[in-house]
Amino acid sequence: AQKITQTQPGMFVQEKEAVTLDCTYDTSDQSYGLFWYKQPSSGEMIFLIYQGSYDEQNATEGRYSLNFQKARKSANLVISASQLGDSAMYFCAMRVSGEAAGNNRKLIWGLGTSLAVNP
Amino acid sequence: GAGVSQSPSNKVTEKGKDVELRCDPISGHTALYWYRQSLGQGLEFLIYFQGNSAPDKSGLPSDRFSAERTGGSVSTLTIQRTQQEDSAVYLCASSLGGPLQPQHFGDGTRLSIL
Repeated sequence: AQKITQTQPGMFVQEKEAVTLDCTYDTSDQSYGLFWYKQPSSGEMIFLIYQGSYDEQNATEGRYSLNFQKARKSANLVISASQLGDSAMYFCAMRVSGEAAGNNRKLIWGLGTSLAVNP
Repeated sequence: GAGVSQSPSNKVTEKGKDVELRCDPISGHTALYWYRQSLGQGLEFLIYFQGNSAPDKSGLPSDRFSAERTGGSVSTLTIQRTQQEDSAVYLCASSLGGPLQPQHFGDGTRLSIL
């Protein structure tokens, strides 16, 4: 079964420090993508970063980077130099794309981690 | 460019009434998704449209829920005979057609059933 697990319901970080949000996934497919989204209190869902299962390098987007460890099936999000505006819910999601997936384009979502950045 | 647009942003209605929620995806996006998010919870997949293919309705919680997508663009999610447990934020997302394209979300419709 495909599953995303985010084990940290809530996290605190001091402004300007780095923080790692954990995400582990479970799939038997070899071809898949991992996504991180941010949801501020205003409710919109904002795409942050993407990692493909065949990508050899860890994805980076500005202050966001993805610590992808395929053997451990983990795709942790690292936010460097935290800012007050980073306070939000963060969701990890996965979609498989191999032959077994067929037309299945559903994203499998974790339950999220609530991040609070302290001044 | 314009993002995913959802309307209304808020909807309050009485139990038993029907509601229609609208989603206008990003131009050129062939895939469209509906999700439901209850307070403090993750996203619950409802339905997925991809081009002219038959939609994936596997997430619809009951036959009171239906959705259509006209002309491969605008989509309407309809909830008939609403119940209080239908209260949630309904999010629409669209993406380009490839399986590993990121989804871009609208601001959602906050539905409250009295």
